[in-house]
Amino acid sequence: DVQLVDSGGAPTQPGGSLRLSCVASGLSFNSYAMNWVRQAPGKGLEWVSAVSSAGGHTFYSDSVGGRFNISRDNSKNTVSLQMNSLRVDDTAVYFCVAARAVASLYPFEYWGQGTLVTVSS
Amino acid sequence: QSVLTQPLSVSGTPGQKVIISCSGSDSDIGFNYVCWYQQVSGAAPKLLIYRNDQRPSGVPDRVSGSKSGTSASLAIGGLRSEDEGQYYCAAWDDTVNSWVFGGGTKLTVL
Repeated sequence: DVQLVDSGGAPTQPGGSLRLSCVASGLSFNSYAMNWVRQAPGKGLEWVSAVSSAGGHTFYSDSVGGRFNISRDNSKNTVSLQMNSLRVDDTAVYFCVAARAVASLYPFEYWGQGTLVTVSS
Repeated sequence: QSVLTQPLSVSGTPGQKVIISCSGSDSDIGFNYVCWYQQVSGAAPKLLIYRNDQRPSGVPDRVSGSKSGTSASLAIGGLRSEDEGQYYCAAWDDTVNSWVFGGGTKLTVL
């Protein structure tokens, strides 16, 4: 079975930094693009960032571009999201998500359980 | 405010059919595929429909998707209590090179 295990969420203050990680198993990790999708408390889903299967291409939503950085280590089946200059409105559960590629052809196929980031003073 | 527009809620009785709509624009639904996800009780979302009308293995055929122009629909027939939850549409947006979601629709089985 495919498993994506998210971790790294924690309470932090505005302006702070956090690094989220996701370890994948049960799939050919280097054949999948990896995404982060977040969900603020009581709100809907919001796509945050994606990295291509080989790591050469990265994508960000306008709301996090310039503050967040996505990376992957295919030797460790891991994808990370470095979050800097955190704001109160970054508070959300962050889901790690696998897709065949970053394109409309390929949906979000596998989801992690989510990790909670709370930004508050 | 979400890029794609969905009704806040829909409801039906067991055995009935409900339809959830999703409205977008040329840059997202108009020129790209639509996906649908189900989220139950705050758990991780689950893929229900991809490429407008394709079901992943394990999704029953009473669930179907369609797209016309800049709108899409998800139909769930033979409603069951376990269908209760939030449903989200999603599409790639060529203008901003991002995935965009609808705001979500809460399905209640009466």
